[in-house]
Amino acid sequence: DAKTTQPTSMDCAEGRAANLPCNHSTISGNEYVYWYRQIHSQGPQYIIHGLKNNETNEMASLIITEDRKSSTLILPHATLRDTAVYYCIVRVAGNTPLVFGKGTRLSVIA
Amino acid sequence: EAQVTQNPRYLITVTGKKLTVTCSQNMNHEYMSWYRQDPGLGLRQIYYSMNVEVTDKGDVPEGYKVSRKEKRNFPLILESPSPNQTSLYFCASSSWDRGIDEQYFGPGTRLTVT
Repeated sequence: DAKTTQPTSMDCAEGRAANLPCNHSTISGNEYVYWYRQIHSQGPQYIIHGLKNNETNEMASLIITEDRKSSTLILPHATLRDTAVYYCIVRVAGNTPLVFGKGTRLSVIA
Repeated sequence: EAQVTQNPRYLITVTGKKLTVTCSQNMNHEYMSWYRQDPGLGLRQIYYSMNVEVTDKGDVPEGYKVSRKEKRNFPLILESPSPNQTSLYFCASSSWDRGIDEQYFGPGTRLTVT
C-alpha cells in the first residue's frame, strides 16, 4: 500500500471548516483514498473515499488533486464532536486490509 | 441496527490463562478482521477472514488464533496470553461483494494481561 503523510495535529474553531491534508505521492492507479476517524478510543468510523473525482457525503467532502498525489478532507462546519484522530489511507478497493498510519489529531475549539 | 459487537469490552487476566474475545456482526458481511491498537504503534491487523472457513494472517498474528465457522462470528483466541498482548482490540467487517466498501468497527475490547 502507498504511504500517506499527514500533519500530526490541527486545531479548528467550532463552526468553521476543517481542512485536513494528506500526501500520497506514490499512490497507484488502482488505489483509492479513504478517510476514517477515531473518536477517543472508540472503533474507527468510515467517513468517505474516492478514486480521482471529488466526493461529498453527509459527513464531509473529499478533494483529490488532478495528479492524485494529495487530497484534502473537508468538514464544512466543525463541531466539538468532530474532535478525533483522522486517518488517510490509500488502498485497493475491496476486502483488503486497512493500513493505518498515525493520522491527524483534530481539536475543535469552542 | 447494523452493528459489530464485541465481548467482553474490558478484561483483566493473568499470563497463560486462555481467553476468547468474541466478535459478531449482523450485516451478513463476508469480510471480517481483527486489529490491535497500541500507543505509538497505531492500529495493526492481526488476522482477517474473507469468508466462512477462510482465514489469513495480518501483520501481527503471533500469539493469536481465529476461527470462522459461521459468517456472523469471528472470535479471537489467545491460548496463552502474555503481558505484551495488553492492548485495545477492534473487530471489523465489510462486504465488498455487495458494494459495501466501508469497514464497520466494533466498540473495542480493552485487554490487560498481568
